[in-house]
Amino acid sequence: QKEVEQDPGPLSVPEGAIVSLNCTYSNSAFQYFMWYRQYSRKGPELLMYTYSSGNKEDGRFTAQVDKSSKYISLFIRDSQPSDSATYLCAMTLGGYQKVTFGIGTKLQVIP
Amino acid sequence: GAVVSQHPSWVICKSGTSVKIECRSLDFQATTMFWYRQFPKQSLMLMATSNEGSKATYEQGVEKDKFLINHASLTLSTLTVTSAHPEDSSFYICSAGGSPGQGVHNEQFFGPGTRLTVL
Repeated sequence: QKEVEQDPGPLSVPEGAIVSLNCTYSNSAFQYFMWYRQYSRKGPELLMYTYSSGNKEDGRFTAQVDKSSKYISLFIRDSQPSDSATYLCAMTLGGYQKVTFGIGTKLQVIP
Repeated sequence: GAVVSQHPSWVICKSGTSVKIECRSLDFQATTMFWYRQFPKQSLMLMATSNEGSKATYEQGVEKDKFLINHASLTLSTLTVTSAHPEDSSFYICSAGGSPGQGVHNEQFFGPGTRLTVL
């Protein structure tokens, strides 16, 4: 079993839709949870960062962490074509420990 | 946010040659740098972690004699792929962690990546 499971997609949605991206994980010791966006042939950029369980909102993006279920989500409201990218979930134990990434979900927002 | 650069962004080399990739933190001191590799349709896989002034720690399955990492200063780490072969063709990405108090705790700032093609 992989430490982090993420559906690779692709996921196609019409512009303006609400997008839900999810990951599950097996290591209950993970404390920090991140979502990265990666455009084709580019390095990942940090979108959201959450410590432990709970919700965090930043503009059109909302990150949720449910540690009891070992499940994290990223919601994108009013999706735009510019949101088309691969979204990677990532998590770490803490400090400057290594970050474990999901495989990434490819999202396409159709105008 | 903090900026990390990589050079070159794209390199093609012949099999058997060595290639050096540079990773620089432009506006902060990076005590820890990470090197990742990403094959098509796969996730980023950590290759090694390097701390300034000390030897890198390699992940299981990564040959330290083939992938030489040098972190000689707080702003520069280099990855040298020695005797490159076609199977080493990949997207290599570095990230840098700042000193305590810089940016988000535990945040890694990623470089734009280097695409290596070995013929």
